[in-house]
Parts: sequence; structure tokens; C-alpha cells
Amino acid sequence: QSVLTQASSASGTLGQRVTISCSGSSSNIGINAVNWYQHLPGTAPKLLIYADNQRPSGVPDRFSGSKSGTSASLAISGLQFEDEADYYCAAWDDRLNGRGVFGGGTKLTVL
Amino acid sequence: VQLVESGGGLVQPGGSLRLSCAGSGFTFSTYAISWVRQAPGKGLEWVSDINGSGGRTHYADVAKGRFTLSRDNSKNTVYLQMDSLRAEDTAVYYCAKEVIGSGYSYLGFDSWGQGTLVTVSS
Repeated sequence: QSVLTQASSASGTLGQRVTISCSGSSSNIGINAVNWYQHLPGTAPKLLIYADNQRPSGVPDRFSGSKSGTSASLAISGLQFEDEADYYCAAWDDRLNGRGVFGGGTKLTVL
Repeated sequence: VQLVESGGGLVQPGGSLRLSCAGSGFTFSTYAISWVRQAPGKGLEWVSDINGSGGRTHYADVAKGRFTLSRDNSKNTVYLQMDSLRAEDTAVYYCAKEVIGSGYSYLGFDSWGQGTLVTVSS
């Protein structure tokens, strides 16, 4: 069971806006930066959002991140078929001398 | 910016492997490096990290006491020594570089290696 909680699946239609949520606690999301990844099978994960809401260069502004308290969200607007992938949240956790933690991942299907 | 892993392969339960991660195209000693793995059919799992200077490491519970992470900044390389390997350690192992060059880990990885497969089986 992951320290960060994500729904196992989500779906949306072409052009729609979808939101993927990530729930944590006061030792991780509550005090540390949240990061989001897109992962396609057989490839390395791709950083979409870091430090809660920052987009690395090259990531379309269709992707946005937000955080409130111990929860965070990734929003994808103008959904495209190429967005079908697994999405993970990740953060540092200050418990147990410190460790990295990932969410269990959300499989996004574009209908 | 590039990270290249090596050292994966097939090993028997109880055996050892050393993975290497060579970095290029950036000031290596400025960035913390982590190892992240993905077992077959499972999600991403953080394994261990080392800060930029190499003076501080952290481990996931599954790695504590069995894995040792080190780095040689003169060679731009990080090493993950894995001992007492178990079947459940079977996974693709990635090394990843932090996007922020503070030397510390935030789990924001902007560059990843291609991954190296570790298979633990008799």
C-alpha cells in the first residue's frame, strides 16, 4: 500500500479536462513539494510538474499542478489520445529519517 | 544531460549485483541522485537516494540493510550495491537526477536513465 494515495484509474473524452488527485499526510505533501510524472510502458517516466505547480521546459501548459493541505492534483486540459498513460505523484516524506514516496499510479484512458 | 545505467542481469536469490549510473552533461556533484524501480505489473517505487556530496543517503524499508548507495564524483558515477537479493527485488531499476541542483532530494526527477533489468531467480 502506497504512502501517497491515488485512484487506480481515470478516464476522459477527447478535448475534456480531467483531474488526478493524490492524497498524503503532514509528513509528505503537507510540508514538501509534490511532483507529477507521466509513464508510458517501456519508457522512462517523464516529469510533468515539480515543486507543486512548476512545469519543466517542453511540457505543454495543458498540464497544471496544485496543492492544498495534504492533497495535490494534476489537471490535464484539452485531453489528447497521446495523454493515455500512467500518472504518478511523488514527494519527500520526513518520517523514518526521510524517504521518497510515490503514489500507486493512476491509469488514464482517453475515450 | 544523460544518465546511463549498467550492471543489471540475472542473479540467484541471496546473490549480489552492483548497478552503476554514469552521468554527463551537467555538474554531477551539484545534484542528488535517486534509484527508482518498477517491478513487473507494479508501480514506481523509490529505493534510495544520495546527496550531491555523497555524505548522506536514505533507503526505503525494502532496501535497508541490504542495499548500499555511494557515488564517486570524480567519475560522475553513482553505485547501488545490492546484496541478499530476493525474488521480489526483480524489477527495472532507474537512476534519476533531481531537477533542482541543491544537492538534496525532492523527488522531482527531470532526467532518467534508460533502466536496467534485475532478475532474481534460481
